[in-house]
Amino acid sequence: DVKVTQSSRYLVKRTGEKVFLECVQDMDHENMFWYRQDPGLGLRLIYFSYDVKMKEKGDIPEGYSVSREKKERFSLILESASTNQTSMYLCASRNVQGARRGYTFGSGTRLTVV
Amino acid sequence: GQQVMQIPQYQHVQEGEDFTTYCNSSTTLSNIQWYKQRPGGHPVFLIQLVKSGEVKKQKRLTFQFGEAKKNSSLHITATQTTDVGTYFCAGSKNRDDKIIFGKGTRLHILP
Repeated sequence: DVKVTQSSRYLVKRTGEKVFLECVQDMDHENMFWYRQDPGLGLRLIYFSYDVKMKEKGDIPEGYSVSREKKERFSLILESASTNQTSMYLCASRNVQGARRGYTFGSGTRLTVV
Repeated sequence: GQQVMQIPQYQHVQEGEDFTTYCNSSTTLSNIQWYKQRPGGHPVFLIQLVKSGEVKKQKRLTFQFGEAKKNSSLHITATQTTDVGTYFCAGSKNRDDKIIFGKGTRLHILP
């Protein structure tokens, strides 16, 4: 079964720490995305990448950066974690070939910044 | 910028009743997608609609894409407890663009 795997299900970090959230997909998908999900705010796009070494800002990129050195891996970096970055983070990927074009999501990482 | 609005935000229905959620875009869409997120889970892709006026069915779920390609609906017939969750619509202006998600409709089933 095809998968998007996020490295941690739950994470607790301290304010000011540098945080790495890892996402790996095994479907050879070109496009990858990072969202955060908060109650009442839905899914908000942080960053996305249409190909290796490529990255684009989403709707709320402030305080985040990303890295995509290999096609299967898309990392989200919180340069200096703050309490307002406490959230559920969801990674997704998409194959641009084929008819479906739906996003495949990982199980999410619930990050708490204390 | 492009916005996708979804109503209602919450819906409580008695088990066996029907349920509908509506999605409206501020701009004409190339396609509309629907996702379901179970409580504690992650969004799961259900279906994509691309043609004006398109109607697709998946068992008790009926998906419609408006004639003007600016609105869509998801209708569930005779809800069951397994239908509990949040339903998101998402659309894009162009086929290969990133999609814009609505805020979702949370469905709660009363036994």
